Amino acid sequence: EPEVTQTPSHQVTQMGQEVILRCVPISNHLYFYWYRQILGQKVEFLVSFYNNEISEKSEIFDDQFSVERPDGSNFTLKIRSTKLEDSAMYFCASSFGQEGNTIYFGEGSWLTVV
Amino acid sequence: ELKVEQNPLFLSMQEGKNYTIYCNYSTTSDRLYWYRQDPGKSLESLFVLLSNGAVKQEGRLMASLDTKARLSTLHITAAVHDLSATYFCAVDNAGNMLTFGGGTRLMVKP
Repeated sequence: EPEVTQTPSHQVTQMGQEVILRCVPISNHLYFYWYRQILGQKVEFLVSFYNNEISEKSEIFDDQFSVERPDGSNFTLKIRSTKLEDSAMYFCASSFGQEGNTIYFGEGSWLTVV
Repeated sequence: ELKVEQNPLFLSMQEGKNYTIYCNYSTTSDRLYWYRQDPGKSLESLFVLLSNGAVKQEGRLMASLDTKARLSTLHITAAVHDLSATYFCAVDNAGNMLTFGGGTRLMVKP
């Protein structure tokens, strides 16, 4: 069964460093997302991406965050200058269509900022 | 602001028993998702409910949606140990921006 794959599975970074989290969405999907889950808290929406541009973003997705689809398969989340509070599990997700389509999540990338 | 509340947050049950997890949400939506998460793993899609009165079943799990009451339920029938996991509901109020509930951690004891 097709799946969303993410790398790295775990990354430890120093505060202030830049981090790039990578995702390979399911191949025929058109909509891509990033969500995050701080330990012990709810899963939170960060951003959605369609047709090479951001379609929606949450208040969490401020100027330190950016997303990119550099080629036909990868979808990346960049955090420019990490803060301690960015420590979380980051989930990439994809769907073929928008409303009402199943959204498939990857296994997540654990980011620990020290 | 959309709020999604699940209860209970933790559920310990015996194998063979039935139980229901409730998901309440605060604003109008007719798109609701249920996911399962095993520890350290991804969110596995269980059900997508797209209209008032929608009911879907898969094995021992059945989900329903009442958009008028802003309530979805996930009913577990004759629980087995393999169902032990955390279950999340999520409401889509705009363009697949899902707002998740806090999760229900289910533990099924032999």
